[in-house]
Amino acid sequence: GAVVSQHPSRVICKSGTSVKIECRSLDFQATTMFWYRQFPKQSLMLMATSNEGSKATYEQGVEKDKFLINHASLTLSTLTVTSAHPEDSSFYICSANNRRTSGYNEQFFGPGTRLTVL
Amino acid sequence: GENVEQHPSTLSVQEGDSAVIKCTYSDSASNYFPWYKQELGKRPQLIIDIRSNVGEKKDQRIAVTLNKTAKHFSLHITETQPEDSAVYFCAATNYGQNFVFGPGTRLSVLP
Repeated sequence: GAVVSQHPSRVICKSGTSVKIECRSLDFQATTMFWYRQFPKQSLMLMATSNEGSKATYEQGVEKDKFLINHASLTLSTLTVTSAHPEDSSFYICSANNRRTSGYNEQFFGPGTRLTVL
Repeated sequence: GENVEQHPSTLSVQEGDSAVIKCTYSDSASNYFPWYKQELGKRPQLIIDIRSNVGEKKDQRIAVTLNKTAKHFSLHITETQPEDSAVYFCAATNYGQNFVFGPGTRLSVLP
C-alpha cells in the first residue's frame, strides 16, 4: 500500500512556541491531505483538508490562525501549531488520498505526532 | 452532511469467538466504506473496505457487509485472536473525497 510519513513523531515544547509537523506521501502524489487530532481513547477529529496549491479548508471550530496549514507540493503538507499552549497537547495524525484507477480515493495515515506543551 | 454512528463502543470476546461491529450512515450519496484498525499509539491501518455496488466482501477472517437500503454496514471478525485487540473505526465517504469516521469500537480479545 501507499506510504505516508510524518515528522517528528514526538515533540515537547514550552508554552508560547510554535511547532511544525510535516506530512509526506512517499510513493504517490497526494493532491489532498487531511489533518486530524485525536484525544486519548477518542475518535479522529478532522481539523482541516489540505489541497495542493490552494488554501486549506478548516472544520468548524478550528482556528486557522492557530493551526497553519501549507500544502506546497504534491507530496508534502505541513501543520504549524502557533503559540502552542498546554491545551494543544494531543496526537496529530495526517493522511493522504491516493487515487486508484477505479476512481475511488483510498486514505492512508501517517504514524502521528504526539505533541506535549509544557 | 454525513453522520456515522458506530456500536458498540467497547466489545470483549473470548479468543476464538466472533466479533461484530455495526455502523450506520446518513448520506445516501456515500458509496465507499472502509474499516480501520488502530493499535495503541499507532496509525489507523486500512483492513478492509466495501463499495456500494457490493453487498459483502471477505478477506480471510474479516468480512464486511453492506445494506444500502438500511444505510448500515458491519465488520465481522471470526476466530478472534489476541492480536485483534485494538480500536476499530468505520468510515463513510463519497468516492473518498471526505471521510467521516465513526467514534470507534475498542475490541478486547480475552485469552
